[in-house]
Amino acid sequence: GIQVEQSPPDLILQEGANSTLRCNFSDSVNNLQWFHQNPWGQLINLFYIPSGTKQNGRLSATTVATERYSLLYISSSQTTDSGVYFCAVRDKLSFGAGTTVTVRA
Amino acid sequence: NAGVTQTPKFRILKIGQSMTLQCTQDMNHNYMYWYRQDPGMGLKLIYYSVGAGITDKGEVPNGYNVSRSTTEDFPLRLELAAPSQTSVYFCASYPRRVQNSPLHFGNGTRLTVT
Repeated sequence: GIQVEQSPPDLILQEGANSTLRCNFSDSVNNLQWFHQNPWGQLINLFYIPSGTKQNGRLSATTVATERYSLLYISSSQTTDSGVYFCAVRDKLSFGAGTTVTVRA
Repeated sequence: NAGVTQTPKFRILKIGQSMTLQCTQDMNHNYMYWYRQDPGMGLKLIYYSVGAGITDKGEVPNGYNVSRSTTEDFPLRLELAAPSQTSVYFCASYPRRVQNSPLHFGNGTRLTVT
C-alpha cells in the first residue's frame, strides 16, 4: 500500500513562531487531508487539499501532487495550536505517524 | 446534524469477552471508516465501507468484524477481546461523491481489555 511519511516527528515552538510540517507519500493521490488532534484527543479536519494551495487564517497548506508531498504552514503560532498534526491520503485515508507540535508561551 | 456519533465513550472488557462499538452518521455519507489509535501513535485503518452492503479490510482487520446494512450505521464487532486491542477507536465518514469534502470523525471510544 501507499506509504505516508511525516516530518519532523516533534516540533517545539515559542509562541509567535512560524513552522512548516511536511507529508511525503509514495504514490499518486487523488485525496489528501490534514488533521489536527487536540490534547483532548479530538480530530479536526484542517484542509482537503489533493493539489494546490489553501489558506485558513494562520494555517495554510500546499500539495505538489507531481512531486508527492504536501506542506502545512503554521504562522504566528499560539498555544492552542499544540497537538498532533496528521496527513492522510487516498480513499482508504492512510495516515502518517503525525507531527507533535508543542507551542510554549 | 449530530455528525458522527460513537457509543460507548469508554469501556472495560475482560479477555475473551465480546462487544460492539456503535457508529452512526446523519450526513448521508457513503464512505465510513474504523481506525484504532494506540498511545502516542498514528491512526491505523481497521475496516472501511464505500456504501451500504460493501465493506473491505484495512491495515489491521484481525480480531474485528464489521457490517454496513444501512448508510447511517457502521458497527465494529470484537469477538474475543485481547489485551492487544486496548486502544482508542475512531469512526469517521466522508461524502466521497462531494468534491472538497473532508473526513468527519466521531469523538472516539476508549477501550481497555484486561
